[in-house]
Amino acid sequence: DVKVTQSSRYLVKRTGEKVFLECVQDMDHENMFWYRQDPGLGLRLIYFSYDVKMKEKGDIPEGYSVSREKKERFSLILESASTNQTSMYLCASHLQGRGYTFGSGTRLTVV
Amino acid sequence: GENVEQHPSTLSVQEGDSAVIKCTYSDSASNYFPWYKQELGKRPQLIIDIRSNVGEKKDQRIAVTLNKTAKHFSLHITETQPEDSAVYFCAASKGAGANSKLTFGKGITLSVRP
Repeated sequence: DVKVTQSSRYLVKRTGEKVFLECVQDMDHENMFWYRQDPGLGLRLIYFSYDVKMKEKGDIPEGYSVSREKKERFSLILESASTNQTSMYLCASHLQGRGYTFGSGTRLTVV
Repeated sequence: GENVEQHPSTLSVQEGDSAVIKCTYSDSASNYFPWYKQELGKRPQLIIDIRSNVGEKKDQRIAVTLNKTAKHFSLHITETQPEDSAVYFCAASKGAGANSKLTFGKGITLSVRP
């Protein structure tokens, strides 16, 4: 089974801090994604990457950046955390033409 | 861009009855339609998917149908059980590389009453 591992299950950060969320997959998938999940809003795409060092903005990229230096790792960066970025963050990966595999999620609280 | 909508936002059925969850999409170029189930506190998991070259796909108690003309697709669950209670997300995408990203609906909460 494909494993998508997110480094933290729960995270509490202060407003203005720089926050790194890490995601690692073990199946050589080309495509990796970061979504945030909020009640009533479903899953919204922040950024995605379809190759090493390639990145594309999703629907809500403002306040976020990403890094993909190696194929297996895709990092989400909150440059200056704000309270409206309190959310569940889900990483996913997949091969072309196949369904996503999601990580367990990181519940981030910004205080 | 693609817009995927799910209605209603909640659905309650009696155990043993069937449940049908419907989604519509806006981009006629979309060609891949997965369904995900998310149990409370867990990650979304793929339960079934369909591509635009087929109209229906079944896997035991679940099935998905696709109507490309009307741009809608549906999840059918027969003989529902309490463990089917979860949030169900539909999604759509249109290909490879940068087009492989999925656009999700907002999710529907299915409750199966014992």
